[in-house]
Amino acid sequence: EPEVTQTPSHQVTQMGQEVILRCVPISNHLYFYWYRQILGQKVEFLVSFYNNEISEKSEIFDDQFSVERPDGSNFTLKIRSTKLEDSAMYFCASSVAASGNEQFFGPGTRLTVL
Amino acid sequence: GESVGLHLPTLSVQEGDNSIINCAYSNSASDYFIWYKQESGKGPQFIIDIRSNMDKRQGQRVTVLLNKTVKHLSLQIAATQPGDSAVYFCAGPDSSASKIIFGSGTRLSIRP
Repeated sequence: EPEVTQTPSHQVTQMGQEVILRCVPISNHLYFYWYRQILGQKVEFLVSFYNNEISEKSEIFDDQFSVERPDGSNFTLKIRSTKLEDSAMYFCASSVAASGNEQFFGPGTRLTVL
Repeated sequence: GESVGLHLPTLSVQEGDNSIINCAYSNSASDYFIWYKQESGKGPQFIIDIRSNMDKRQGQRVTVLLNKTVKHLSLQIAATQPGDSAVYFCAGPDSSASKIIFGSGTRLSIRP
């Protein structure tokens, strides 16, 4: 069964450092998303991406965040200068279409900022 | 603002019993709802969805009921098993349909 994969599973970084979280969405999916979940809290939307551009982003997704689809298979989330409060699980998701279509989630990357 | 997925935080059931997890939403225009299961250390996993033109949908051991009059939906799990232990979220697309809004979730624990 096709699945979304994410690497690394756990990333530890120093405050102020840049991190890149990587995702490989399901191959025939066209819509890509990043969500985050701070420990013990609910899953929060960060950004959606379609046709090589951002469709929508939340207020969390400020200038420190960027996304990219560098090739036909990877979808990345970059945080330029990490802050302590960026520590969270980051989930990538993908879907065949928007609006009412099932989003498949990856296993997540746990980001720890020290 | 719109809100989907207002849950009770915890539910404890006896193994073998049926579980009912409830969720309320505020946006009357919401037309699609999804139930996700999140096991510890894993990403949300799709369980079942329902569109607003339905009031019931059944899957394998799970049933979702939608009551649009009171803006309430529930997930019923038959014969609950230890592997059902997880946090369950109801969720739905926002008004722009470009993202999913998750509720706070209900942690289901199973008593042996």
